Amino acid sequence: QKEVEQDPGPLSVPEGAIVSLNCTYSNSAFQYFMWYRQYSRKGPELLMYTYSSGNKEDGRFTAQVDKSSKYISLFIRDSQPSDSATYLCAMKSGSARQLTFGSGTQLTVLP
Amino acid sequence: ETGVTQTPRHLVMGMTNKKSLKCEQHLGHNAMYWYKQSAKKPLELMFVYNFKEQTENNSVPSRFSPECPNSSHLFLHLHTLQPEDSALYLCASSQELRQGNEKLFFGSGTQLSVL
Repeated sequence: QKEVEQDPGPLSVPEGAIVSLNCTYSNSAFQYFMWYRQYSRKGPELLMYTYSSGNKEDGRFTAQVDKSSKYISLFIRDSQPSDSATYLCAMKSGSARQLTFGSGTQLTVLP
Repeated sequence: ETGVTQTPRHLVMGMTNKKSLKCEQHLGHNAMYWYKQSAKKPLELMFVYNFKEQTENNSVPSRFSPECPNSSHLFLHLHTLQPEDSALYLCASSQELRQGNEKLFFGSGTQLSVL
């Protein structure tokens, strides 16, 4: 079993839709949770960062962590064609020195 | 100038060639990383340097040889590669390596094709 599972997609939605991207994980020691966005032919860029459980909102993006279910989500409201990218979840325990990444979900927002 | 710059952007090499990938960061960070990204697979950490000292080598074959002359520059020397080494090689940096929430800043990567 992979430590982090992420549905690779591809996921296509119409402009304006609410998008939900998810990852599950098996290591209960994970405390730091991140979402990276990677445009085609670019490196990943940090989009959202959350520590422990709860929600964090930044503009149209909301990151949610449910440690009891070992499940994290990224919601995108009013999705735009410019949101078309691959979204990578990443997580880390307090004692670890490296991130564990999901394999990424490819999202296309159609105009 | 963007925060983390990688050159070249694309590289095609034969299995007997020797080439080097270069990474430069302008963020004043002290930790630098090499990652390998293959299609549909999670990012694989290859090497980590913290204050110019190598702290991680994730069982990477010796045909990949990293070099970190200072905190701003990182190289990946390649020789006798195999076709399965074809991938996007990403450089990243962070403030420093520590247990906690250091955030990674990535370059755009070098797309490597081994023929």
